[in-house]
Amino acid sequence: AQKITQTQPGMFVQEKEAVTLDCTYDTSDQSYGLFWYKQPSSGEMIFLIYQGSYDEQNATEGRYSLNFQKARKSANLVISASQLGDSAMYFCAMREPMDSSYKLIFGSGTRLLVRP
Amino acid sequence: NAGVTQTPKFRVLKTGQSMTLLCAQDMNHEYMYWYRQDPGMGLRLIHYSVGEGTTAKGEVPDGYNVSRLKKQNFLLGLESAAPSQTSVYFCASSYSSQGALYEQYFGPGTRLTVT
Repeated sequence: AQKITQTQPGMFVQEKEAVTLDCTYDTSDQSYGLFWYKQPSSGEMIFLIYQGSYDEQNATEGRYSLNFQKARKSANLVISASQLGDSAMYFCAMREPMDSSYKLIFGSGTRLLVRP
Repeated sequence: NAGVTQTPKFRVLKTGQSMTLLCAQDMNHEYMYWYRQDPGMGLRLIHYSVGEGTTAKGEVPDGYNVSRLKKQNFLLGLESAAPSQTSVYFCASSYSSQGALYEQYFGPGTRLTVT
């Protein structure tokens, strides 16, 4: 069975500092995709970044980067220069590659609080 | 584009009542999904659809039914609501092209309370 683990229920970071949110996954498939979503207090799910299992370079999107370590099965999200608006829940998710349904399996999330 | 919309935004039901949640997307996406989110947990897949007229069970399908009669709409039904179905429900849609996957776009959520 495939599984996503986020071991940090909550984290604090000082404004303007960088922070890493951990995500490990478990799969026996060779082809898979990893996603990070942000959920602010307003409740919507906002897509941040995607990493494919065959991508050789780590994905980056503005202040977000994904530290992909395939051998360790980890896909940590790095947020650089944290802003107050980054305070939110962050979910790591993995796409199931089988049957082409593109279903996502989500971790339990990490609540990030940015301190001024 | 409105993206993914959900109706209603909030609802309170009594145990045993039924209701239907409506999800609509205007992006011509093939794939649509219903998730539920409970406190302290990530999203869990209830049902999904890979195209008009097709549906399939996800991780937690018991107590729910779905229909996808039109490509743009995905309905989630609760035939006899139970307190355990108190949750926030999210609809999402996505598409793929030439084997490449694109991210799932989420609706704003429906907060359902069953008393």
